Amino acid sequence: SYVLTQPPSVSVAPGETATITCGGNSIGTKAVHWYQLKPGQAPVLVLYYDTDRPSGIPERISGTSSGHTATLTISGVEAGDEAGYYCQVWDRASEHSVFGPGTEVTVL
Amino acid sequence: EVQLVESGGGLVQPGGSLRLSCEASGFDVSDKYMSWVRQAPGQGLEWVACFQGDGKTYYSDSVKGRFTISRDNSKSMLFLQMNSLRVDDTAVYFCVNGGVIAAFDLWGQGRLVTVSS
Repeated sequence: SYVLTQPPSVSVAPGETATITCGGNSIGTKAVHWYQLKPGQAPVLVLYYDTDRPSGIPERISGTSSGHTATLTISGVEAGDEAGYYCQVWDRASEHSVFGPGTEVTVL
Repeated sequence: EVQLVESGGGLVQPGGSLRLSCEASGFDVSDKYMSWVRQAPGQGLEWVACFQGDGKTYYSDSVKGRFTISRDNSKSMLFLQMNSLRVDDTAVYFCVNGGVIAAFDLWGQGRLVTVSS
């Protein structure tokens, strides 16, 4: 089955840039979606189809995907960005949706 | 208002059954992919099942053969029938709009299912 990898945690100072990677075999050929998850809340879609932002998501959240790595970047990090971030793809071969293990972003 | 509201869940013994329901409002579900995603305590997100607009269904390996996803378009309802429940099925279950290649763009508030003796 298809496997996604993410770093367990990323720490960043306010105003700096957080970069979260999502690794997977030829992930650049798949549609990658990203979710933000805060304790006690439902997940929120923050990026879809690699780079697109839903309405209400700030422009300082951006994404790329190529080769075997997709990346979510948060520029000008704020305290409210502290959360878990999960990448997700549809694996056509197994007909399964797959989530990455998640990355906890800590704002110092 | 566009929203998903789950009901059902609760405490059940291992081997028991439960049914989760999800009512959609503010949009037509009939041609949508809709899914269930769960989060076990202290764990990440795990996809459970998806119902495609034409009635085709998809399941994760961990629930296939035990869980059944279904939908009633006339009532804008999505269901998850969970049988032969195991302790490791304990999780908050989210009803979600989306699935297959489409992103999960609308989430319910989640319902806790606890499987314990």
